[in-house]
Parts: sequence; structure tokens; C-alpha cells
Amino acid sequence: DAMVIQNPRYQVTQFGKPVTLSCSQTLNHNVMYWYQQKSSQAPKLLFHYYDKDFNNEADTPDNFQSRRPNTSFCFLDIRSPGLGDAAMYLCATSREIPGSEIHSAKNIQYFGAGTRLSVL
Amino acid sequence: RKEVEQDPGPFNVPEGATVAFNCTYSNSASQSFFWYRQDCRKEPKLLMSVYSSGNEDGRFTAQLNRASQYISLLIRDSKLSDSATYLCVVNGGSGGYQKVTFGTGTKLQVIP
Repeated sequence: DAMVIQNPRYQVTQFGKPVTLSCSQTLNHNVMYWYQQKSSQAPKLLFHYYDKDFNNEADTPDNFQSRRPNTSFCFLDIRSPGLGDAAMYLCATSREIPGSEIHSAKNIQYFGAGTRLSVL
Repeated sequence: RKEVEQDPGPFNVPEGATVAFNCTYSNSASQSFFWYRQDCRKEPKLLMSVYSSGNEDGRFTAQLNRASQYISLLIRDSKLSDSATYLCVVNGGSGGYQKVTFGTGTKLQVIP
């Protein structure tokens, strides 16, 4: 059974039309991440929530926002999608335990299947 | 210098061959290291963590060299199903949350 679920799998939107991608998890992990991945490139971290604390990457455009209403859900909002925002968006979770041994499950990320966004 | 660097490949190897990938990292304070596998148009999946002592899982062996700041992945007896992109992941920094950085991946194609 999928533990990190992203919806929808495929999303088509129009240039400038706001879009929301969703991610839910059954792992009860305290950290949730959003990545953007373009073809033949590494996943690029946009931001993450450590519990309720939002952490934005310095180079993430203001066009991208996120919400985490509870432990299980996290949303990615793209306020005005441009053609350059067409990509795969990956949600991931991890369990962070301060002070844990390095060989623990700490920092192992579990990914959802992704949402492929097309912008017309 | 990139934080995490990998040879993009592709590595084209025949079935049964042994192939090795390296990944270098720039942050000497990095503490956790992983290899993920990503199939075409799919999400990354954890292949194995990399420990200082080196670790093995079946045909896969991972090594960490802190002095030279690289990790390696060795695949023995390559199978067609091993064809994928292998992503190196490094967790940097110390204390609290550790930033996760992905390499761009090394593409492996196993040929019949």
C-alpha cells in the first residue's frame, strides 16, 4: 500500500491559472518535503515542513507556496504557473529524531509517485 | 564546485558485468549518505544507506570514503532490471535539520 500519496498524478493547467497539488502520508513522519524535478535533472528541493515549521529554500520563487494543515497532509500551491513550471513535483517524508544514531531511519526519505504538471 | 557531483553517464554495460559509480560531495560536515534508484518517469526509491564501514546488500555494495569525500556504488552481475538512474543523496550540516542534496544521477543501461 502506498504510504505517500500524491494527487493528482497528472495535472494540466493554463498559463497563470492557480493550481494546487496535494500530498498525504500514512507514516506519521514529522518532516514533509516538496521537490521539483525536470527532465534529466536532480530533484530540486523547494521547501519543507519540520513539524509545523516551514522552511523555504533561498532560490524558491515566491510563486510557490505550501500549506500543512496537519501531520498527514501537505499542499503545494502554484499561484501563477508559467511554462517553466512544467515539471514533475515530488512529495517526500522523513522521520527526524533529534540526537538519534546516524544508522537509524533518520533522514531516509520516502517519496510519493509524483504529480506531473503541464502548463498550456 | 557542485555540492554533490555524479557522472551522468550513460553507462552501457552487458548483462552479468560489474559496474561502479562514484559520487563526490563538497560539505565535509555531511553525515548521512544514500543511494536512490529512479526509474524513468517514476519517483526515487531508496536503494541503500551508506555507512562508514561499507555495506553490502546482495549484488550491491556501497562504500564511503570520508577523507576523499566520495561514496561509491558497486553492482555485480548486472541484470536488465538494474537499468535505471542512480541518485546519490547527501545530508549536510550538523544539528537539527540536515539539508538533503541530490546528485543529478548516473544513468545505467544494462544490455542483453
